[in-house]
Amino acid sequence: DSGVTQTPKHLITATGQRVTLRCSPRSGDLSVYWYQQSLDQGLQFLIQYYNGEERAKGNILERFSAQQFPDLHSELNLSSLELGDSALYFCASSLRDSSYNEQFFGPGTRLTVL
Amino acid sequence: AQSVSQHNHHVILSEAASLELGCNYSYGGTVNLFWYVQYPGQHLQLLLKYFSGDPLVKGIKGFEAEFIKSKFSFNLRKPSVQWSDTAEYFCAVNADSGYSTLTFGKGTMLLVSP
Repeated sequence: DSGVTQTPKHLITATGQRVTLRCSPRSGDLSVYWYQQSLDQGLQFLIQYYNGEERAKGNILERFSAQQFPDLHSELNLSSLELGDSALYFCASSLRDSSYNEQFFGPGTRLTVL
Repeated sequence: AQSVSQHNHHVILSEAASLELGCNYSYGGTVNLFWYVQYPGQHLQLLLKYFSGDPLVKGIKGFEAEFIKSKFSFNLRKPSVQWSDTAEYFCAVNADSGYSTLTFGKGTMLLVSP
């Protein structure tokens, strides 16, 4: 157990719908990262928040957005879902915004878009 | 932008065989390098990391990796694999540019037969 929790574990929805994925970082960690893992693209960085502020953006679609709340949990919102959005979404957290701090990964949310 | 390539998508070995998984990255500047492992049904966890100093780094469970700057490589090795090493292995790079985000390779699935 890494200490990072993600809910839900599985999510099945239809095209065009909107979903919210939730991540609770390890206690004391200020930085949260979101990654998408798919068979064709592998593990790709989406977005990072540090202490409530957006810190870095990767290959995140405009239909996707995220935020980090005052209690440091984070939510990833995916809207106008397409079949190709089916993937495993991981959240990771680290103590600070530094590559010298290990990133601890959650168990992931498996999203299936039908 | 940096990229990471892992040479083999699938590797099958017998127990006690030696392992070497290739990882090459493309980035001309200073990098921090990581290997993560994902055991079946579990979250990603850090195996080892390289920031600076001795290019041969040792990680958990008997794994080691060697950073060869001239070859832009960071290959993972283990002298004798066990059935419990069956997992997916990911190489990751952070360009030491002030951001802590990771760029992952597509992963190598290792199957160790008893």
